[in-house]
Amino acid sequence: GAGVSQTPSNKVTEKGKYVELRCDPISGHTALYWYRQSLGQGPEFLIYFQGTGAADDSGLPNDRFFAVRPEGSVSTLKIQRTERGDSAVYLCASSPQGATEAFFGQGTRLTVV
Amino acid sequence: AQSVTQLDSQVPVFEEAPVELRCNYSSSVSVYLFWYVQYPNQGLQLLLKYLSGSTLVESINGFEAEFNKSQTSFHLRKPSVHISDTAEYFCAVSEGRGTASKLTFGTGTRLQVTL
Repeated sequence: GAGVSQTPSNKVTEKGKYVELRCDPISGHTALYWYRQSLGQGPEFLIYFQGTGAADDSGLPNDRFFAVRPEGSVSTLKIQRTERGDSAVYLCASSPQGATEAFFGQGTRLTVV
Repeated sequence: AQSVTQLDSQVPVFEEAPVELRCNYSSSVSVYLFWYVQYPNQGLQLLLKYLSGSTLVESINGFEAEFNKSQTSFHLRKPSVHISDTAEYFCAVSEGRGTASKLTFGTGTRLQVTL
């Protein structure tokens, strides 16, 4: 079956603009995670959804970052007033109920110029 | 809080040679341990995981890792590497509470295999 799909694969935006990054998890997966991977670093946790609700948003760096998952499937990561330091690869992962591992998408590379 | 340390940022090795990629973690609770691999221009893929039971776990492509609780380590080994093993390898830890939870990753080790 299809894996985790993230769109767009690449996004270039100007400083100060608003962006939305989309994640389509594997069908039926109840848990969804967002991570951010800066150049030369490992992925860093941002937020975790169980169903429609954010179970843990402790990794969001500030209030410019927000994520939703209104129907418990697709999720959107929203970044307001983008800054050059937001440039990174944003990764989405999902896992089914009761699983101990997560399945990752290929990521969205965000470049803020 | 949990943390993962991968001391080697790059490991160059000749084909058919053995390799060890080091991973140490710290945590105040029981953990699950993972190795993920990222091939060039691809997403993260699970290579192997330790949940409980036997401390030696293996992947389908010849890698193995051993959980050492006293040394808080989960080093990845392969007795004979192939060119196709060239990739970035990430060690990760999560709380060991029966279901998937957020992962804490190390900074990664780039394995470069040459002829």
